[in-house]
Amino acid sequence: EVQLVESGGGVMRPGGSLRLSCAASGFTFDDYGMSWVRQAPGKGLEWVSGINWNGGSTGYADSVKGRFTISRDNAKNSLYLQMNSLRAEDTALYYCARDLTQDIVGAMGDWGQGTLVTVSS
Amino acid sequence: SYELTQPPSVSVSPGQTASITCSGDKLGDKYVCWYQQKPGQSPVLVIYQDSKRPSGIPERISGSNSGNTATLTISGTQAMDEADYYCQAWDSSTGVVFGGGTKLTVL
Repeated sequence: EVQLVESGGGVMRPGGSLRLSCAASGFTFDDYGMSWVRQAPGKGLEWVSGINWNGGSTGYADSVKGRFTISRDNAKNSLYLQMNSLRAEDTALYYCARDLTQDIVGAMGDWGQGTLVTVSS
Repeated sequence: SYELTQPPSVSVSPGQTASITCSGDKLGDKYVCWYQQKPGQSPVLVIYQDSKRPSGIPERISGSNSGNTATLTISGTQAMDEADYYCQAWDSSTGVVFGGGTKLTVL
């Protein structure tokens, strides 16, 4: 059974940093592209960032480019999101999701339960 | 940047057919997928590559994509289909793009 378990969320002040983690199990992690998708309270889904199977290709939404960094450790079956210069508008539930392919083309077939990030002064 | 537009809400009577549209420039040239999200739950992929269903998704859920519009169709709509639905595509310059979501109400 595929499992994606996010962690690292919390309450942060504007300008602060946070690192999210996603622990994957139940599948061959380095066969798949992975993404972070967020959902602000009561709002829709927003793709944040994605990374291909070996980390050689990454992508970011314009809203986080230059502030967030995605990475993966295939030896540890883990996905990460380093979030710097946090803003109030980054407040959201952050989901880890597995692509159906090795690349970042969307079609996310499995999702975690999410970790909540709140940015507030 | 690339954008996908969905109607905010769609209503359907039980047993009838619900259609949810997703519009974008030359969307038919891209692969579209659809997600279902029920309150308090994570999204679930229901359609990928325009019209393919992941295992476990009933045949009454189908998809199509042509021109500037993709459509998610739910036949014989049931109360359990009431949810938010999001379309999604990939654009070479924007990356992964989601539509704003459509709330399907089964009256």
